[in-house]
Amino acid sequence: DAKTTQPPSMDCAEGRAANLPCNHSTISGNEYVYWYRQIHSQGPQYIIHGLKNNETNEMASLIITEDRKSSTLILPHATLRDTAVYYCIANTGNQFYFGTGTSLTVIP
Amino acid sequence: DTGVSQNPRHKITKRGQNVTFRCDPISEHNRLYWYRQTLGQGPEFLTYFQNEAQLEKSRLLSDRFSAERPKGSFSTLEIQRTEQGDSAMYLCASSFGQGPGYTFGSGTRLTVV
Repeated sequence: DAKTTQPPSMDCAEGRAANLPCNHSTISGNEYVYWYRQIHSQGPQYIIHGLKNNETNEMASLIITEDRKSSTLILPHATLRDTAVYYCIANTGNQFYFGTGTSLTVIP
Repeated sequence: DTGVSQNPRHKITKRGQNVTFRCDPISEHNRLYWYRQTLGQGPEFLTYFQNEAQLEKSRLLSDRFSAERPKGSFSTLEIQRTEQGDSAMYLCASSFGQGPGYTFGSGTRLTVV
């Protein structure tokens, strides 16, 4: 699985868009980009995934660059409940390497 | 759909004792995964099952660890002769095929004293 690099922490004002970057420069052609988040004392929660195209669901949008070397998770209107650790993972699906993620703090 | 259920939520044990955790996946999910998470780190893969077959094991899963999934339903993870380094959150997840994504349980927090 490709290694991913994320900033260790970010802040975002409540109501604003949170843009979480991820670098996966060694990603291979059949590896998907997955995003999970983990709120304190809970198990990780699946957010979204994609291969090449941008994706959107009720939780977030995923923007993948054309060369697939990086991606951005967008939470369009961050709320206090979005405070969590966000993990970006590039893999082919059987097991995930989570890394240490980005700790997002949404500020009132 | 009641989600993935893990029991117990917390377990404190003395070093050298054996412990067993249980995971009940979402009923229609055929894949079940075990992960371990230590403080400040992301979850680390331990093993996964497709139905009752254990298809992959991490090198983290030493010979003191054993996982089973009889009848392809619930799963148990046993740790024999626990060590202080086994203290961690043990997370179970399930999926139907490869997903999309897994559904994780809330984990079992093990403390070895």
